[in-house]
Amino acid sequence: DTGVSQDPRHKITKRGQNVTFRCDPISEHNRLYWYRQTLGQGPEFLTYFQNEAQLEKSRLLSDRFSAERPKGSFSTLEIQRTEQGDSAMYLCASSLTDRENGELFFGEGSRLTVL
Amino acid sequence: QKEVEQDPGPLSVPEGAIVSLNCTYSNSAFQYFMWYRQYSRKGPELLMYTYSSGNKEDGRFTAQVDKSSKYISLFIRDSQPSDSATYLCAMTLSGGYQKVTFGTGTKLQVIP
Repeated sequence: DTGVSQDPRHKITKRGQNVTFRCDPISEHNRLYWYRQTLGQGPEFLTYFQNEAQLEKSRLLSDRFSAERPKGSFSTLEIQRTEQGDSAMYLCASSLTDRENGELFFGEGSRLTVL
Repeated sequence: QKEVEQDPGPLSVPEGAIVSLNCTYSNSAFQYFMWYRQYSRKGPELLMYTYSSGNKEDGRFTAQVDKSSKYISLFIRDSQPSDSATYLCAMTLSGGYQKVTFGTGTKLQVIP
């Protein structure tokens, strides 16, 4: 059984470029989350999906950010016209609907560096 | 003001010490309280969770929740160098609503 996998693990880009991250959740998990974590901070919620439906988006998710989860399987997070402030670790997590204890299974993250 | 406040540390203790980690929160609607552990360059992993107020023990770890004070704690007994990590408190509302709100994390170093 594989855990949550994220790709790429590290992306270095120039300001103004577009980047896309991919997340493959644990296969039977129907919920998928994106969080952002900067150095010395805890993960900040960005958005989450139940199956293919995007149910909530944080105000942190500006118009330059878009997330999709086609067919309720893998998800992509795209950042357009990157800014230096976008530099962070982007964490994906998945969970089961009936887990009321809030247990999220995280991937190892995709680290974005914007030069 | 953030919904969840946590002392960022770092906290450095000798091996075998008792460690106390704490968080305060402002949203009285939070029902589920968790502690996640995050090793360097890894994603967080769930360590313990409790529902509403009370204590929960799991081996060397004890989680306490005091909803009247909006205060949660994690105690680590007989700390080991392998416990060196960042500890994140986290909490969520009830009813299957699973947006989890995290604290900033406390970095712990256990010195052999």
